[in-house]
Amino acid sequence: GQQVMQIPQYQHVQEGEDFTTYCNSSTTLSNIQWYKQRPGGHPVFLIQLVKSGEVKKQKRLTFQFGEAKKNSSLHITATQTTDVGTYFCAGGEGDSWGKFQFGAGTQVVVTP
Amino acid sequence: DTAVSQTPKYLVTQMGNDKSIKCEQNLGHDTMYWYKQDSKKFLKIMFSYNNKELIINETVPNRFSPKSPDKAHLNLHINSLELGDSAVYFCASSPIRQGAISIPYEQYFGPGTRLTVT
Repeated sequence: GQQVMQIPQYQHVQEGEDFTTYCNSSTTLSNIQWYKQRPGGHPVFLIQLVKSGEVKKQKRLTFQFGEAKKNSSLHITATQTTDVGTYFCAGGEGDSWGKFQFGAGTQVVVTP
Repeated sequence: DTAVSQTPKYLVTQMGNDKSIKCEQNLGHDTMYWYKQDSKKFLKIMFSYNNKELIINETVPNRFSPKSPDKAHLNLHINSLELGDSAVYFCASSPIRQGAISIPYEQYFGPGTRLTVT
């Protein structure tokens, strides 16, 4: 079955630095979603990418969907303490409508 | 108003008991989900319903039985609870993104139910 791998598992970032988290699927995805979960909270939707090679920006966050629709990345510039949390990607399976396989998440810690 | 609500928020029970978790969404979405998040924060889909119809049933023990009395509710009943069932259970709902191929759009998660089996 489909597997979604996410790296790195942990990311320690100095405030003001940039970082990237990557998501790789063993199969072609129909779409990919990104979520952020604060400690003790629930996942909150950030973005959905559907088209091959799609790039979307939300302020300091840049999301990219690979040309083959098997990988994605989230790049955060000028990290702030409010960026603390775990970032998950969720790959939509092409042949299983409505099924999303979540990556293990990247836990981000920001030091001032 | 809370978009997706779950009750209870915390549930502590002993092995062998039967318990239920309720979920309600007031967003008018057709699709609802149950996820299990273990101690390592890994999120795994358990069930998905679309318009009260079960469309995804992952390899979940038969002790877990979802029920959707209407589009706004998706409950989860667990029989004969085991230690390994301890986790946070999230309910979620999503609208459908219309296009050439309609796909589920953003998922709105409930606050979660922390289940502890002793």
